[in-house]
Amino acid sequence: EPEVTQTPSHQVTQMGQEVILRCVPISNHLYFYWYRQILGQKVEFLVSFYNNEISEKSEIFDDQFSVERPDGSNFTLKIRSTKLEDSAMYFCASTRRNLQETQYFGPGTRLLVL
Amino acid sequence: SQQGEEDPQALSIQEGENATMNCSYKTSINNLQWYRQNSGRGLVHLILIRSNEREKHSGRLRVTLDTSKKSSSLLITASRAADTASYFCATDAGRETSGSRLTFGEGTQLTVNP
Repeated sequence: EPEVTQTPSHQVTQMGQEVILRCVPISNHLYFYWYRQILGQKVEFLVSFYNNEISEKSEIFDDQFSVERPDGSNFTLKIRSTKLEDSAMYFCASTRRNLQETQYFGPGTRLLVL
Repeated sequence: SQQGEEDPQALSIQEGENATMNCSYKTSINNLQWYRQNSGRGLVHLILIRSNEREKHSGRLRVTLDTSKKSSSLLITASRAADTASYFCATDAGRETSGSRLTFGEGTQLTVNP
């Protein structure tokens, strides 16, 4: 069964460094999402992406964040200058169509900012 | 209360018993999805119920949706120790112009004792 994959599974970085989290959505899916989960808290929406542009973003998704689909398979989340509070699990998700669709999540990247 | 609140926050039962988790939300929705998360791991999709559906079954899972009360319940029958996990409801109130945006609840931590 097709799966969403994410790399790396864990990343440790110093405050102020840039990180790029990578996701490979399910191959025939067209809508892509990033969510994050701070330890012990609930999952929060960051951004949705379709047709090479952002569809919607939350208040968390400020200028330090960006997303890109650099080729036909990868979907990336970049944090330009990491802060301690960016430490969280980051999940990528994808759906085939817009609305009324199951969102399939990847296994997540655990980011630790020191 | 926030969109997608589950209760109870924690539930401990014996193997073989049924587990019921509830979710309440505040706004109109397109659908509601239930996910499972093992400790520190990814989100596994369990079931999606649309706003015009009242009940749905999948194996040992039964989900109900009452849009008049803005609530949903997840019933796991004949629980097993392997069902131990956190369970989240997530509501999709997306619009055609912006797409899906899941809003997650705080989750219910289910422990099934052997």
